[in-house]
Order: sequence, then C-alpha cells, then structure tokens
Amino acid sequence: AQSVTQLGSHVSVSEGALVLLRCNYSSSVPPYLFWYVQYPNQGLQLLLKYTTGATLVKGINGFEAEFKKSETSFHLTKPSAHMSDAAEYFCAVREGDYKLSFGAGTTVTVRA
Amino acid sequence: NAGVTQTPKFRVLKTGQSMTLLCAQDMNHEYMYWYRQDPGMGLRLIHYSVGEGTTAKGEVPDGYNVSRLKKQNFLLGLESAAPSQTSVYFCASSSGLVYGYTFGSGTRLTVV
Repeated sequence: AQSVTQLGSHVSVSEGALVLLRCNYSSSVPPYLFWYVQYPNQGLQLLLKYTTGATLVKGINGFEAEFKKSETSFHLTKPSAHMSDAAEYFCAVREGDYKLSFGAGTTVTVRA
Repeated sequence: NAGVTQTPKFRVLKTGQSMTLLCAQDMNHEYMYWYRQDPGMGLRLIHYSVGEGTTAKGEVPDGYNVSRLKKQNFLLGLESAAPSQTSVYFCASSSGLVYGYTFGSGTRLTVV
C-alpha cells in the first residue's frame, strides 16, 4: 500500500522567507511523486513531479523539490515567499498503475 | 482547449434527492477519476475509470455510482443524497500516471 504524510497542516511564513513543506511517503513500487497547488475556490494545478532521473526537480513559480529515497521524502521548497504563494499544497504518490494517493494538504499563509 | 470541465459548479440538494455530476475532458485521456475534498482530509477517491466502459471503486464509493459510456465523459451519480455527502467534488483525468492528473475546477455540493 502507498501513503503520503504531510507534516504540518498549516504553515505561516513572512514574505521573502523560505517556504518548506514536508512530505514523506511509503511505496512498494518505484515512486512517482507530485506536488499540486490549490488556490481558493479553484482546482488543483501541478507544481512539479519526480518520476525518474534527476532527484532535484524544478517546477513553476520558483518551487523545487528533492527526492530522497533513503529518507522516503519529497519536500517542497521556495527560497523567497511571495504573497501569491498563499494556497493549499498537496503531495501525491502513485498507487499502483492507475491512481495517485494524496496527502491531507498544507495551507500556506504569507505574512506581509 | 478546455481541459477538464465539471458541471454544475454549485448545487444545493435536499436529503433524499438525486443528481448527476458531469465531467468532460477534451484531451483524449484514458483514465478519469472522481474525488471528494473535505477539510483536513485531503482528496479521497470515490470511483475511477481506466477506459471507456470500465469503472472501479475507490476509497469511499458508498452512496455513489458512476458511468463512462463515452471516453470523454465520466458521470457521478448520487441516488439518495445525504448530508454526509456535502463536499467539494473534483474530477480529474490522465493519460498515464507519469504525467500526473489534470483537474477540473470542482463542484461544491451542499445537502440539507
């Protein structure tokens, strides 16, 4: 079985500060890992993904994540938070051949 | 290019009423999914389909039925709505897990 744990349901950062969102997963198959962002009253948009190859992946809006197999982690970072980064973020891992399993989500608040 | 379109966007039902949510995608994706999103619980899979004419149960299928008569459409039915089905429903589609999902903008359903 696969599962995703996002540490911290709420994260508050100052504008310009580092954003760090933590994701740990368990998987019985080579993982495909994803981060999605959801702005208020919208659907989820893909931020970035890891499937194979380079373990440091870059996504949209200045976000990046690093796949660490030994730690079963896929943490999301952004060096400098912007007000527009306020949203809910979801980590996901593939579950078998057809499905993704999602974490509970982390809400990011950015303080001016 | 519309992507994934969900109708309706909002609906209020009385307990015991029935309704159908429609999801349409124009990307020729094989896989389609229905999720519900509730606060603090992330996204939970209701049903999914891996091709025209096929459906399968997800994590929380009770009280819902689905049909995929055409490749581009995936319908979610509630036969007898209950207050516990108050939620935001998201449809997603995919051409393969390596690409992740494309999500619709959601349907906010309230059952009173």
